Amino acid sequence: AQKITQTQPGMFVQEKEAVTLDCTYDTSDPSYGLFWYKQPSSGEMIFLIYQGSYDQQNATEGRYSLNFQKARKSANLVISASQLGDSAMYFCAMREDSTDSWGKLQFGAGTQVVVTP
Amino acid sequence: ETGVTQTPRHLVMGMTNKKSLKCEQHLGHNAMYWYKQSAKKPLELMFVYSLEERVENNSVPSRFSPECPNSSHLFLHLHTLQPEDSALYLCASSQGVYNEQFFGPGTRLTVL
Repeated sequence: AQKITQTQPGMFVQEKEAVTLDCTYDTSDPSYGLFWYKQPSSGEMIFLIYQGSYDQQNATEGRYSLNFQKARKSANLVISASQLGDSAMYFCAMREDSTDSWGKLQFGAGTQVVVTP
Repeated sequence: ETGVTQTPRHLVMGMTNKKSLKCEQHLGHNAMYWYKQSAKKPLELMFVYSLEERVENNSVPSRFSPECPNSSHLFLHLHTLQPEDSALYLCASSQGVYNEQFFGPGTRLTVL
């Protein structure tokens, strides 16, 4: 079964506006981590932000913030003040911390973001 | 060189060829990973090496053979591949398997 669900295949956003990318996850592990990565057309996966399941506060990194709602099992990414360079594919990923997971990241299908002038 | 590098960036091979993908990390990490990204499918983990030992083989066909000679280098040896193996192959590294993974630019592989 799919463990990470990203329901928005693509989004257009105007420069300088904020955009929210949805991510829901499924796990019975009490300890896990949630990640967002950006993949430009060049192919490289760029780490953006991390949220641990026991973290009390939502993670923030510059213009990126993670809206973590544990009870709803959602980990939405908010990009504030969008820039043209933010156009890329965005992936949500989860790592379950059970002893046999070995750091395995499970990825969603991704959301293609296009920032327009 | 900084971060995680991968060579070659593009590779075209026939089904009977043997080739190798190389990954090198300059971050001092002790865990390395191979992922496969096919069109219209989520990224799939193939192999995990922690402290130079393979700790995860995610049901990958034997035509893919990984090698980790030291903590900075990771190879993926390819032989008798199929056209459906055409994909972007991404290498990643992390400090410990439970920390964020940093990815290389990938090798785009086409099997004819």
